[in-house]
Amino acid sequence: EDKVVQSPLSLVVHEGDTVTLNCSYEVTNFRSLLWYKQEKKAPTFLFMLTSSGIEKKSGRLSSILDKKELSSILNITATQTGDSAIYLCAVMEYGNKLVFGAGTILRVKS
Amino acid sequence: GAGVSQSPSNKVTEKGKDVELRCDPISGHTALYWYRQSLGQGLEFLIYFQGNSAPDKSGLPSDRFSAERTGGSVSTLTIQRTQQEDSAVYLCASSPDSLGTDTQYFGPGTRLTVL
Repeated sequence: EDKVVQSPLSLVVHEGDTVTLNCSYEVTNFRSLLWYKQEKKAPTFLFMLTSSGIEKKSGRLSSILDKKELSSILNITATQTGDSAIYLCAVMEYGNKLVFGAGTILRVKS
Repeated sequence: GAGVSQSPSNKVTEKGKDVELRCDPISGHTALYWYRQSLGQGLEFLIYFQGNSAPDKSGLPSDRFSAERTGGSVSTLTIQRTQQEDSAVYLCASSPDSLGTDTQYFGPGTRLTVL
C-alpha cells in the first residue's frame, strides 16, 4: 500500500529557531513530491520536487528531495509565529493521484 | 485572479439525508480533484477528473459517493444516505493540465457535519 510518513507529528519551537520537517514515502509510481502549508482549511502550495539533490528555496523555506532514500526535508530558518501551521507532504503518482502524509503540526512561540 | 471556490462552506445534515457539494475550479484548469480530511487524519484522495471524465475513482469510499463534472468546469460531489463517518472537510483542487506536471491549487473546502 502506498504511504507517506511525516515526522515529527508535532513540534513546538521559539521564534528564531530553525526547524527541519521530514517526509518519507513508499509509492509505486513516483512522479513528484509536494509540500503544502495548511493554516485553516485549504492547503497552500510551497514546493514541488521532482529531481533528487536540487534544493528549492523560497525566502526562509527550503526543501530537497532524496530519491535514493525516498525522502524529503523541509527547512524553515528564523521561524516566526506566522509559520505556525500544519505542513503537509504529498507524493504525486502517475495518474495524478496525490497521496498525503498526516502532516506535521508546527507551533512557533513568541 | 479568482481561485478555486467551493460551496457551501459549511453543511450540517441529518444522518440518512443526501448532500451535494460544489466546486468551481480555476478557469481553464483541465484537471479537478476531490479530497477529504477527517478530524485528526491526513488528506484522502477521492476522485480525479480529466475534463469531464473520471479516469480514477479508486478513492471513493463507498457507492454512496458519486461525482460529476460538466462543461469541463463545475463539479459536484454527492453523498447519498449520509452517515456520521462522512463528517469531514471536503476539499477540491484544480490544476492547469492533467499531466501531473503542475501543482494542484486547493479551494477553501466544505465542512460537512452529519448529526
